[in-house]
Amino acid sequence: GNSVTQMEGPVTLSEEAFLTINCTYTATGYPSLFWYVQYPGEGLQLLLKATKADDKGSNKGFEATYRKETTSFHLEKGSVQVSDSAVYFCALSVQNSGYSTLTFGKGTMLLVSP
Amino acid sequence: EPEVTQTPSHQVTQMGQEVILRCVPISNHLYFYWYRQILGQKVEFLVSFYNNEISEKSEIFDDQFSVERPDGSNFTLKIRSTKLEDSAMYFCASSEEGSPNYEQYFGPGTRLTVT
Repeated sequence: GNSVTQMEGPVTLSEEAFLTINCTYTATGYPSLFWYVQYPGEGLQLLLKATKADDKGSNKGFEATYRKETTSFHLEKGSVQVSDSAVYFCALSVQNSGYSTLTFGKGTMLLVSP
Repeated sequence: EPEVTQTPSHQVTQMGQEVILRCVPISNHLYFYWYRQILGQKVEFLVSFYNNEISEKSEIFDDQFSVERPDGSNFTLKIRSTKLEDSAMYFCASSEEGSPNYEQYFGPGTRLTVT
């Protein structure tokens, strides 16, 4: 089956620190990989995605590279801000006969202090 | 920018009661989904819906659950007889196509509390 494992939180950082949130996956088939972000009191928003090996997804200073050899999609940001405090979900999707569903990790809470 | 909307934002119900959660997907989208998130846990897939029928459903989506697209705009999730363990945030999502290359847009969620 499909599954996503991501590092336990919370991750607590000071503003301008470097962020890494680890994510590894198992999948039947060739997955697309995603990072979603959930700000307090809000729904899920797509942060970035990558659809094939060695692709790098990026958005708002966040990056993640699709590593097929290590089945990983780690999220990084060079300098976090207080406004980045949120829960981050790694997810994958495998196409099944014309449709696809998302399989999520447990989420990692990021807390950034000034 | 078009968005997925959900109503109500919070629903409190007693165990054994029926609830209907409502969603309005983005108008030109063809694929619809329900996910749920029990407090502190991961987001779990419930069901996908296309062309007026269920495409796929998870083990969670048992006979107590049903989905419907009663008109051209709404997409509903019904829980026939709620249990305490149904308490969760329920997210509706929609996408233009079914391929993973097409983003699933999520609504803000309905928090269901079963007492």
